[in-house]
Amino acid sequence: GNSVTQMEGPVTLSEEAFLTINCTYTATGYPSLFWYVQYPGEGLQLLLKATKADDKGSNKGFEATYRKETTSFHLEKGSVQVSDSAVYFCALSGREGSGYSTLTFGKGTMLLVSP
Amino acid sequence: GAGVSQSPSNKVTEKGKDVELRCDPISGHTALYWYRQSLGQGLEFLIYFQGNSAPDKSGLPSDRFSAERTGGSVSTLTIQRTQQEDSAVYLCASSLSVSRQRGSYNEQFFGPGTRLTVL
Repeated sequence: GNSVTQMEGPVTLSEEAFLTINCTYTATGYPSLFWYVQYPGEGLQLLLKATKADDKGSNKGFEATYRKETTSFHLEKGSVQVSDSAVYFCALSGREGSGYSTLTFGKGTMLLVSP
Repeated sequence: GAGVSQSPSNKVTEKGKDVELRCDPISGHTALYWYRQSLGQGLEFLIYFQGNSAPDKSGLPSDRFSAERTGGSVSTLTIQRTQQEDSAVYLCASSLSVSRQRGSYNEQFFGPGTRLTVL
């Protein structure tokens, strides 16, 4: 079955530091890949997505590239801000025979950014 | 607003009681999902509704859990005889049906969740 593995947190950084959160996946077929973010006290929000190999998703300074050869979708940001402190979830969605699918999530990585 | 809404936002109940959690999806979204977010378990899929098709219940953890979706819109997740291990945040999401979306992905929009505490 499908699975997502992401690095355990918390990840603690100073403002303006470089961020990488690793994510690897196992899936059959050609899944779409997502990063969701959950800010304190708020619901999950889609941060970025990529639907096929070599696609790069980007939003709010965050980027992730769909690497089929390494089955990875690592999240990066060149300069983090205190406001980026949140929990980040890597997820995948695959096409099932019945024409629908569900999201499979990683366990989440907490990011703490200090001034 | 135009997003997914859930109620109540918080629910505290005693062990053994039944609870009902409600989800209002985005208008026009035919697919609706329930997930559970608990410490140490991350996000777990519970159940999925797509239009008038039979729901995918493969993620429900026990027969104490059930869900309905009336009129293809509002959904209710019911937990009977609650146990302490049911304490979690229950998230609802909705999306357009896959066949109506461009590309091959399934973008889901999440509600704020219901935090359930079983004493």
